[in-house]
Amino acid sequence: GQNIDQPTEMTATEGAIVQINCTYQTSGFNGLFWYQQHAGEAPTFLSYNVLDGLEEKGRFSSFLSRSKGYSYLLLKELQMKDSASYLCAVRNGTNAGKSTFGDGTTLTVKP
Amino acid sequence: NAGVTQTPKFRVLKTGQSMTLLCAQDMNHEYMYWYRQDPGMGLRLIHYSVGEGTTAKGEVPDGYNVSRLKKQNFLLGLESAAPSQTSVYFCASSYPGTMANYGYTFGSGTRLTVV
Repeated sequence: GQNIDQPTEMTATEGAIVQINCTYQTSGFNGLFWYQQHAGEAPTFLSYNVLDGLEEKGRFSSFLSRSKGYSYLLLKELQMKDSASYLCAVRNGTNAGKSTFGDGTTLTVKP
Repeated sequence: NAGVTQTPKFRVLKTGQSMTLLCAQDMNHEYMYWYRQDPGMGLRLIHYSVGEGTTAKGEVPDGYNVSRLKKQNFLLGLESAAPSQTSVYFCASSYPGTMANYGYTFGSGTRLTVV
């Protein structure tokens, strides 16, 4: 089985940097995804990591350490529109592409 | 392109009624999934399909059935609705293999209430 842990809530200030952590325990690993979900909307894909290290995409970066079962999503230059839930998802080692999701971290950006 | 379209968007059912949720994608994705999302519990996989004519059980399949007669459509059926099935249902699709690294594309969701 798989177990994924993320903080439930975080608060940060507009313009600041925030790091959302995700730890996982899995019987098979084939990549880790981050999704953004605004209230009442569908999740949208943010990033993918399968090898150790940092992937940067504009204001968002994602880091993975497979040996530690750890990832983080780094959001820079926070904007009010970044207030959303951030979902960490681990894909298992089969070919079915299935992902197991964490419960999500609700980020509130304050002025 | 429409992406992933779910119908209906909202539905209220009485306990014991049945219904079918429709998911349609126009991206030629091989893989399709049904998840449910409950407050504070994240997304849980109900059933999934790796291609036309194939389906498999996910984490929480009891009380649901699925069919994938055409590659672009994935139907989720509730045989006899129960209040515990009150949830938001998301359909998702993706490419297979390394193309799956682009993640899922989700539909807008169906908000189902069973009374």
